[in-house]
Amino acid sequence: QKEVEQNSGPLSVPEGAIASLNCTYSDRGSQSFFWYRQYSGKSPELIMSIYSNGDKEDGRFTAQLNKASQYVSLLIRDSQPSDSATYLCAVNAGTASKLTFGTGTRLQVTL
Amino acid sequence: SAVISQKPSRDICQRGTSLTIQCQVDSQVTMMFWYRQQPGQSLTLIATANQGSEATYESGFVIDKFPISRPNLTFSTLTVSNMSPEDSSIYLCSVEAEGGAEKLFFGSGTQLSVL
Repeated sequence: QKEVEQNSGPLSVPEGAIASLNCTYSDRGSQSFFWYRQYSGKSPELIMSIYSNGDKEDGRFTAQLNKASQYVSLLIRDSQPSDSATYLCAVNAGTASKLTFGTGTRLQVTL
Repeated sequence: SAVISQKPSRDICQRGTSLTIQCQVDSQVTMMFWYRQQPGQSLTLIATANQGSEATYESGFVIDKFPISRPNLTFSTLTVSNMSPEDSSIYLCSVEAEGGAEKLFFGSGTQLSVL
């Protein structure tokens, strides 16, 4: 069974700090990796995608992928209270956009 | 990204009844999916809504319980049939982004409570 594992948290970081969110996956055939942000009571919002090993930066967000270790992470620099949300890791093993989601990590950015 | 409208946004239903959820997209999309997010859980794919043919269901989901229609490339419905309290969940419509690359965008969701 394909699995995506995340620490449920909450992960608490002070405003301005770096938040590090981690995700592991079981299917070595996985090709595409995504991070979604979900505010309470809202639907998931795509914030990052990554397809090859290494780092990908977009503004304050950096996604990191290591396929050998089956590990993907999301770094949020200069964390803001508005970043407080649940972050979902999603993985696609190459079957027509069918994503497997982790249970999410709840991030709390404190003042 | 496509604008995805879902309705109703929430409903409270009685056990044994059925509810149909509508999903409207502002542009034609090839791939459309229905997900469920149970309380405190992550998203689980129910089925792929295929235009003009029967939906493709994931393991654990069946057509009799979750009939899906997709009459065109901008619209789909999901019906939750013969509801029980275990069906209380958020139901989400999602579409693949233009150009593919497996990027999914989600509708605003339907929060269903079954008494």
